[in-house]
Parts: sequence; C-alpha cells; structure tokens
Amino acid sequence: GAVVSQHPSRVICKSGTSVKIECRSLDFQATTMFWYRQFPKKSLMLMATSNEGSKATYEQGVEKDKFLINHASLTLSTLTVTSAHPEDSSFYICSARGGLALYEQYFGPGTRLTVT
Amino acid sequence: AQSVAQPEDQVNVAEGNPLTVKCTYSVSGNPYLFWYVQYPNRGLQFLLKYITGDNLVKGSYGFEAEFNKSQTSFHLKKPSALVSDSALYFCAVRPDFTGGGNKLTFGTGTQLKVEL
Repeated sequence: GAVVSQHPSRVICKSGTSVKIECRSLDFQATTMFWYRQFPKKSLMLMATSNEGSKATYEQGVEKDKFLINHASLTLSTLTVTSAHPEDSSFYICSARGGLALYEQYFGPGTRLTVT
Repeated sequence: AQSVAQPEDQVNVAEGNPLTVKCTYSVSGNPYLFWYVQYPNRGLQFLLKYITGDNLVKGSYGFEAEFNKSQTSFHLKKPSALVSDSALYFCAVRPDFTGGGNKLTFGTGTQLKVEL
C-alpha cells in the first residue's frame, strides 16, 4: 500500500529557532501534498496544500511566512516552522495524494513539535 | 462549505458486540466519503471510502460503512468489536468534481473504547 513517512517523529527546539519537517511518499508519486496541524483531542486543521513545483496554497489564518512549505519533487515536501514559539507546539501531520490513489489521501505518522 | 459531524465524542462497547460510529456530512455536489483511524501519537490510517456504486462499503480490519444519501450519513460499523479497535476515528468528506474543491474536511473525531 501507499506509504508516507515523516521525519523527525519528535523534535524539541528552543523558542526563536527554526525547525524543518520532511514528508516523503515512499512508493508513489505525490502530485499533491497536504500539511495538517492537530491539537490534543481535536480534529485535523488543514494548513496548506501544495502541488509539486508550485507554491503552496495556505488556508485562511495560516501565516505563510511562518510556515514555509516546499514541494520540490513528487516524493518530498518540507514544512519549516520559522522563529518557533511555544504556541507552535503541536502535532504536525502530512498527507499525500497521487499515483494510483485517485481519491484517498495517505497520511504520515506525524511529527510532535515541542517549542521550549 | 462542506462539513462533517461526528455527534459522539466517545463510544464505549464491549468486546464481541457490534459497534457503530456515527457520521453525517454536508457537501456541494456528490460526496467522496472516508473513514480514518488514529492510534495515539500516530498519523491517520485509511479504513475505507465511498466514491460511487454500492452503498455498503467494506474496508480494513472488518470495518464497513453505509452511505445513506437521503440522511447524508456514512456511519462506520463492525459486527464484532475487538479491544484492539480502541482508537480515535475520523470521518471525512470531499466533494466530487461537480462540487469543486480539493480539500478533505474532517469531523471532530470519535474515541472508540472497547472493553473486555
């Protein structure tokens, strides 16, 4: 089946620093990738959608200068949280769609970000 | 705008008993409907989807769901629950091409607890 990986699974960073999260589709080409944020016991909030080679489309209220998304290839997307603050601490999940999966999205295992 | 409602925050069921996790939706055009399961500190795993055709769809781990257009519902069911089914379940909807849009909208999730 389609596999999406994320790295790192957990990261702790100091306030003011930047952190990069990688999302890879391991066995299919992801024409579209999505980044979500999930708060404890809450649903997933879509942050942005990116198509390979294009600029990401951000959801309302998501700061594009703070959450930099790059979808440089059909198998890799990155989310960089710049100048992180404690309120950015969250569970970030990427998702990919493409290949033979015309409809469903496949999700990565998530990255737990803690900003101290 | 599309939306998904999961009216129950938590569902408790005894092992061996049937389970139902409810979901209703609102979307322009015809819906593409999905169920995902999430274990603690993990990403979402795809369970099943309805795109078109037979209203009863069967998915992974013995789960099934029935699409009911008149009631705009897509309840998740399993004839005999297992303790290992205990997890957080998300219903999601995306409109088909007639409804426009590319985004998957999630419900708030239902915590399923299966007890011995």
